[in-house]
Amino acid sequence: QKEVEQDPGPLSVPEGAIVSLNCTYSNSAFQYFMWYRQYSRKGPELLMYTYSSGNKEDGRFTAQVDKSSKYISLFIRDSQPSDSATYLCAMSAYGDMRFGAGTRLTVKP
Amino acid sequence: DTGVSQDPRHKITKRGQNVTFRCDPISEHNRLYWYRQTLGQGPEFLTYFQNEAQLEKSRLLSDRFSAERPKGSFSTLEIQRTEQGDSAMYLCASSLMAEQFFGPGTRLTVL
Repeated sequence: QKEVEQDPGPLSVPEGAIVSLNCTYSNSAFQYFMWYRQYSRKGPELLMYTYSSGNKEDGRFTAQVDKSSKYISLFIRDSQPSDSATYLCAMSAYGDMRFGAGTRLTVKP
Repeated sequence: DTGVSQDPRHKITKRGQNVTFRCDPISEHNRLYWYRQTLGQGPEFLTYFQNEAQLEKSRLLSDRFSAERPKGSFSTLEIQRTEQGDSAMYLCASSLMAEQFFGPGTRLTVL
């Protein structure tokens, strides 16, 4: 079993839809949780950072962490074609991060 | 641009050759990380530095791989006797706290 599980998709939605992306993990020591967006052949770009459990909102993006269930989510509201990318969840205890495989999202105009 | 920079962006080499990549972190960041990413996978941790000290190395980092961060500024990652399985994107990230910021990566192709 991988330390971080993420459905690779692909996921295709119409413009304006609400997108839900999820990851599960097995290491209870993880306490820092991040979501990255990666365009093809580019480096990952940090979207959201959450420490421990709870919710965090930034514009159209909301990140949720449920440590009791070892489950994290990213919601994208009013999705745009420019949101089309691969979304990576990442988490760490401290220091090196463990990544999910990434979910490939396409938002169709 | 004050982000993380990596050089070169692309490298094509023949099997058995040595290659070296450079990473320049965000200037005030004391931690620097190297990751490797293959197609369809998330980045995999290789090693990390706090200032000039190499604090952790993954078992993925075979003895053909070596990383340095002299003076706690830029870092180099060297791969000796490259193999076709080394073909990947090599990513560098830096941080001051928990959030890591990535560079554009170096894409290595071993023929």
